[in-house]
Amino acid sequence: GDSVTQMEGPVTLSEEAFLTINCTYTATGYPSLFWYVQYPGEGLQLLLKATKADDKGSNKGFEATYRKETTSFHLEKGSVQVSDSAVYFCALQLNTGNQFYFGTGTSLTVIP
Amino acid sequence: SQTIHQWPATLVQPVGSPLSLECTVEGTSNPNLYWYRQAAGRGLQLLFYSVGIGQISSEVPQNLSASRPQDRQFILSSKKLLLSDSGFYLCAWRVASNNSPLHFGNGTRLTVT
Repeated sequence: GDSVTQMEGPVTLSEEAFLTINCTYTATGYPSLFWYVQYPGEGLQLLLKATKADDKGSNKGFEATYRKETTSFHLEKGSVQVSDSAVYFCALQLNTGNQFYFGTGTSLTVIP
Repeated sequence: SQTIHQWPATLVQPVGSPLSLECTVEGTSNPNLYWYRQAAGRGLQLLFYSVGIGQISSEVPQNLSASRPQDRQFILSSKKLLLSDSGFYLCAWRVASNNSPLHFGNGTRLTVT
């Protein structure tokens, strides 16, 4: 069935390090893909999205490219900051529109 | 602009007591509405979603129910809480069109004792 698999955490990085969080998906048709971020005690916030193959979503220095050939949507940031410490969720939306599937989340801690 | 309100922010309830969590959306019409649960250290589990007033789809059979009495109001209820109902409950909305993302509320932390 349709699903999202993302890299297990937790991930701990030093400030200014390069970040990659892997995400792969299984879906029929042509889903849209999203990354959400959750800060402690809060709901999820949309970080970026891509709606078709080869699209690149970007926001706040984060990027992810929709790779249909590898069914992946890896999240990257060139230089992380302490304020990026949060839990990151990869998600897909089926092309029917109503249904979303989330990964289990990856906790990121950035240390000064 | 659109906003989503969820309350209460935290709730402690004894086993066997009823539950009512409320979610309202402002600044949009006929949104799709969702209830998710997030257990500690785990991902999101879709509980219910609604595409219109009185239209509820249940994803997981359990002792919870949802209702949508008004266009922008979504309520999560239980007649008798179980210990396993503890978790972080998130309401979300989206524009009812292809590719539109989910927008989440700040969540309700429910502890059943």
